Amino acid sequence: QKEVEQDPGPLSVPEGAIVSLNCTYSNSAFQYFMWYRQYSRKGPELLMYTYSSGNKEDGRFTAQVDKSSKYISLFIRDSQPSDSATYLCATINPLTTDSWGKFQFGAGTQVVVTP
Amino acid sequence: ETGVTQSPTHLIKTRGQQVTLRCSSQSGHNTVSWYQQALGQGPQFIFQYYREEENGRGNFPPRFSGLQFPNYSSELNVNALELDDSALYLCASSYRGSTEAFFGQGTRLTVV
Repeated sequence: QKEVEQDPGPLSVPEGAIVSLNCTYSNSAFQYFMWYRQYSRKGPELLMYTYSSGNKEDGRFTAQVDKSSKYISLFIRDSQPSDSATYLCATINPLTTDSWGKFQFGAGTQVVVTP
Repeated sequence: ETGVTQSPTHLIKTRGQQVTLRCSSQSGHNTVSWYQQALGQGPQFIFQYYREEENGRGNFPPRFSGLQFPNYSSELNVNALELDDSALYLCASSYRGSTEAFFGQGTRLTVV
């Protein structure tokens, strides 16, 4: 069983809709949670990160972490065709020695926003 | 642009050959991590380098090796290439202790 599970999609939504993405993880020691966006043939770019439980908002993007259910979510409001990409969730375990930069990634969800 | 550059962008190798991939980290970053991303999968951690020493390794065989240079740039070497090594290889640069890592555009390796 992978430590981070993510539905690969594809997830197709009309322009202007809310995109809802989520991941589950198995290790309760994970503390930092990241969302990366990856366009085709490009490297991942960091969208947001959160620490422990709670919400974080940045423009049209909202990240949520529910540690009690080991559930991570990303919401994209007013979606645009330029949001079409693969979205990767990632986490790290700060309790392991020198864990920084050693992310556990989900498989990524492909999102298609149609005009 | 993240400031992390990888070369080459594409590469085709024959099974059994050896390959070297290169990564220049972002200015000020002292840690480089390498990831393998197979088609349709998330990146898998290969290993990390800090101060020219390997600082942790994922579940990859010894034929995957690396180097980090005094200017923090890094190389990934893969010996005895197998067909399953075909993937996008990503390097990520970060500052030790930071939660933020910045990825290069990747090197797409095809093994035939």
